[in-house]
Amino acid sequence: NAGVTQTPKFQVLKTGQSMTLQCAQDMNHEYMSWYRQDPGMGLRLIHYSVGAGITDQGEVPNGYNVSRSTTEDFPLRLLSAAPSQTSVYFCAISKDRAGDEQYFGPGTRLTVT
Amino acid sequence: AQSVTQLDSQVPVFEEAPVELRCNYSSSVSVYLFWYVQYPNQGLQLLLKYLSGSTLVKGINGFEAEFNKSQTSFHLRKPSVHISDTAEYFCAVSFGSGNTGKLIFGQGTTLQVKP
Repeated sequence: NAGVTQTPKFQVLKTGQSMTLQCAQDMNHEYMSWYRQDPGMGLRLIHYSVGAGITDQGEVPNGYNVSRSTTEDFPLRLLSAAPSQTSVYFCAISKDRAGDEQYFGPGTRLTVT
Repeated sequence: AQSVTQLDSQVPVFEEAPVELRCNYSSSVSVYLFWYVQYPNQGLQLLLKYLSGSTLVKGINGFEAEFNKSQTSFHLRKPSVHISDTAEYFCAVSFGSGNTGKLIFGQGTTLQVKP
């Protein structure tokens, strides 16, 4: 039982390149979300999903796309990377009930030059 | 707008001393409150949470927090810290009673425990 896995762990992109950050879970939780962590700003919600086929925007969605075709996977796509997207990205899962614990993946450290 | 404020960005403390990390949130009809800890180069893990009932909540590693509705606060405390408690601590709040797990995080507090 791996919980939440994220790949890659590290990535360097050039401005304008695109890429997909992968998130997978084996806990069969309905709720999945993506956060970015920046110094002094805590974690900010990018996109979230309450189940397969359902996604919605969080606080900072611009420049990112998501889709949820299965319960297990929730990829985050950067369409055209910008230096402002340099950050650490965390995927989290929960049972989709307010008050349930969120389980976080180990993170992906992205640098855009 | 809903918000969470952690009042200290860094808290230095000597080993075996008590510590309090402060968290305030914008008022709402109902909230669920969480403290998460992040050790260096790791993801976040849950320390404790308040959903309802007793306002004093005990968590892992000897931490506890008290929910104060009138002051809209949820401060984290530990009576005696260890070097291993050095980490970043995040307060998070789920506003409202809907069925989503959306969390709003504070800015984080770095706890630096000195020998």
